[in-house]
Formats: sequence, C-alpha cells, structure tokens
Amino acid sequence: DAGVIQSPRHEVTEMGQEVTLRCKPISGHNSLFWYRQTMMRGLELLIYFNNNVPIDDSGMPEDRFSAKMPNASFSTLKIQPSEPRDSAVYFCASSFTTGGSGNTIYFGEGSWLTVV
Amino acid sequence: AQSVTQLDSQVPVFEEAPVELRCNYSSSVSVYLFWYVQYPNQGLQLLLKYLSGSTLVKGINGFEAEFNKSQTSFHLRKPSVHISDTAEYFCAVSPNSGYSTLTFGKGTMLLVSP
Repeated sequence: DAGVIQSPRHEVTEMGQEVTLRCKPISGHNSLFWYRQTMMRGLELLIYFNNNVPIDDSGMPEDRFSAKMPNASFSTLKIQPSEPRDSAVYFCASSFTTGGSGNTIYFGEGSWLTVV
Repeated sequence: AQSVTQLDSQVPVFEEAPVELRCNYSSSVSVYLFWYVQYPNQGLQLLLKYLSGSTLVKGINGFEAEFNKSQTSFHLRKPSVHISDTAEYFCAVSPNSGYSTLTFGKGTMLLVSP
C-alpha cells in the first residue's frame, strides 16, 4: 500500500523565493496534518484539515505560510517569501478519523527544506 | 492544552541491555498516548499506543509501555536492544475526544553500541 507521499524530498532555495511542498495522503483518509521539525522546537503542528476543511491553523507561523487542500488526495504548503529560519523538515501526515480520537496518524518521509 | 516531557535527550546503551525511555505528560483532559520512532532520514512510525484497557501496551519490535495515570507517565521499555533500534523516539498525546491532533515531546535519541 502506498503511504503518505511528499514532494520534493529535498529543496534548497534562496531567501525570498517561493517554496511549495506537496502531499498526497493515504487513500481513504479524511484527516491531513502538516508538521514542522527543527532541532530547537521539535515537532510542531502547523495545520490540520478534516474532510478538506482547515480545522486548526493556529500553528502556522505567520502570513508567509499558507496551506490548501483542494481535494481529498492533495495538499500543498506554501512559503512566500522564504527565510533562512524556515529551514526545517516538513512532514505531512494523514489518518482516518471517526468522531473521537486515538486514530493512528501515518507520516510521510518529509520534505527537507534549506533556505540560504 | 497538553504537553509532553521526555526527560532524556539521549540514552546510550549497549546491545542486548535493557532500556527505558521516560515520558511524562500534562493535560487538563483525558488523553490517548503514543510512542513513535524515527529512523535516520525517515518519517515517523507508530510503535504503540494506549487508548484504554490494560495499562501495559505491547508494540512492534519488542517494545512495550506502561500507562501510569497517577504519575502521568508513559515510559517505553525493551528488555534487550539491538543495534537496529538506534533511532529517535517520540512520545505524544492527543485528547480523547474531538479531533485527534498529536502533541509531541522533544524526542529521545537511543544510541545502541556493540
């Protein structure tokens, strides 16, 4: 079975450029998460979608970050303009949520972003 | 809101020795508890989770964890580690109602040497 698929796996970009990270969740899952991992702050939830609707975007750092989920099989996380402090590993994850919680969340392999 | 504290950032251990990775949590509501493992340059993979029932939970790769509500802990154990267990281990919680977002601890790096 295909897991959560992220692209690109690695991206090096110059400060000020636009970065778009892409995610294909596991087929049939109705919840999608974007997490960011850094040495200093660990794993932080950026945004959470349920049935393609953003439920919690309180973790989105600032207006430079935006996320969309136009359909159940695709999501993007965009940073415009990018800054060196955005360098991190960005994980997309998905799960099938049925009213309560405790459902297993499956992670992609991450997109390693370096902004120089 | 929930928070997770992993007391050890790094745990060095020799192969075939037992290991315990500590996790404490804080929450104003009841929670579900998880342990995830991250191998180098990979995503996170679920090791085990506690939802209800027996407080001793068995997971993959010979790991187990025990939920202790009075001490708000969920420590991870393995009786005999292998070199291949070298990885970062994350404890996480989510509220047991509503939406299932995970709050992670900072992680513990398990370093297994021969």
